[in-house]
Amino acid sequence: ETGVTQSPTHLIKTRGQQVTLRCSSQSGHNTVSWYQQALGQGPQFIFQYYREEENGRGNFPPRFSGLQFPNYSSELNVNALELDDSALYLCASSPGRGQGNGELFFGEGSRLTVL
Amino acid sequence: KQEVTQIPAALSVPEGENLVLNCSFTDSAIYNLQWFRQDPGKGLTSLLLIQSSQREQTSGRLNASLDKSSGRSTLYIAASQPGDSATYLCAVLDSNYQLIWGAGTKLIIKP
Repeated sequence: ETGVTQSPTHLIKTRGQQVTLRCSSQSGHNTVSWYQQALGQGPQFIFQYYREEENGRGNFPPRFSGLQFPNYSSELNVNALELDDSALYLCASSPGRGQGNGELFFGEGSRLTVL
Repeated sequence: KQEVTQIPAALSVPEGENLVLNCSFTDSAIYNLQWFRQDPGKGLTSLLLIQSSQREQTSGRLNASLDKSSGRSTLYIAASQPGDSATYLCAVLDSNYQLIWGAGTKLIIKP
């Protein structure tokens, strides 16, 4: 069974740039959720995709956007990067709709540093 | 607004001790509560999920309890081992179907 994989693992950007983070969901899972985790904090929900459609969004501005592809992999795009966007970005897949109806399987995360 | 708090923020105990981690939440209208483990710079691993109708769940040396009315959950770790060292986070699925997370308890087990 293939787990959740994220890329890149680490990246450094400067203010104002754009970034794309990628996530491959676990085999058989059709739901992908994205989270932002600042150092020493719990994750904050960004949004979720279920069968290629956005299915819920947290309190993040529109410059955070996403996609889900027919194979259920997903991208998180962040435009006009700000220093506070520096964080660990986590992707989680699950076999059903909703964030916590069942067990969530997380990737290792993408560590973004904005200078 | 649902808030989740975990106390203490950090805990260091000798190997072999039993220990309890605490999680509290402000709104009892939850669907479930989950405990996760996070190793430094890594993703999260789900440990236990307790549905709102349940009182506890057990997996190996781990036991999680839920008291919805008082807004509390505990994670009990028996016979702690150095490999248990990690940050433990709890998260509740609130009435809006959003996962609200605590900031975690960093646990260090000393050999």
